[in-house]
Amino acid sequence: SQKIEQNSEALNIQEGKTATLTCNYTNYSPAYLQWYRQDPGRGPVFLLLIRENEKEKRKERLKVTFDTTLKQSLFHITASQPADSATYLCALDADTGNQFYFGTGTSLTVIP
Amino acid sequence: GAGVSQSPSNKVTEKGKDVELRCDPISGHTALYWYRQRLGQGLEFLIYFQGNSAPDKSGLPSDRFSAERTGESVSTLTIQRTQQEDSAVYLCASSPSGGQGYGYTFGSGTRLTVV
Repeated sequence: SQKIEQNSEALNIQEGKTATLTCNYTNYSPAYLQWYRQDPGRGPVFLLLIRENEKEKRKERLKVTFDTTLKQSLFHITASQPADSATYLCALDADTGNQFYFGTGTSLTVIP
Repeated sequence: GAGVSQSPSNKVTEKGKDVELRCDPISGHTALYWYRQRLGQGLEFLIYFQGNSAPDKSGLPSDRFSAERTGESVSTLTIQRTQQEDSAVYLCASSPSGGQGYGYTFGSGTRLTVV
């Protein structure tokens, strides 16, 4: 069965630095990968989608890479701000194409 | 509407009672999804609707769980004879179509507590 792993430990970084979050997957080859942000008590908010034939995608201070050989996606937030503090989830499309599988998320805290 | 709306936001129920959770997706979004998120865990897929049909119910954990969608709009998730392990946040999401090229828009969820 599909397995998605994200940094299990919380990530603390200093304001202004670049945060890098990792999403690894096994046992299948997704065509799409998404990243979401989730704040306490709220539903996830869609950030970026990257396709298997795209190596990199950018949106403002966000950058996502998708390495289908390593079966890994990296999510970068440059010039991080305290407001970026949240849990970040990666999600991969299922073989059936009907849904996305979500990782458990990585908690990011940006320290002023 | 402007976003995905879920109600109630919180629900406390006694073990053995039935509950209904409601989701109002974004107008015009044909795809609708229900997920469950237990405390400290990832999102667990429950069911997917395309229009009023549910081509994928594979995530429903037992026959106590059912869902329907009407008018290609509102969806209701029903849990019968609730158990304590049903306690979780139930999240609804919608997207413009069932294709995988779109991000999901989630509601804020219904926090269900079974006592």
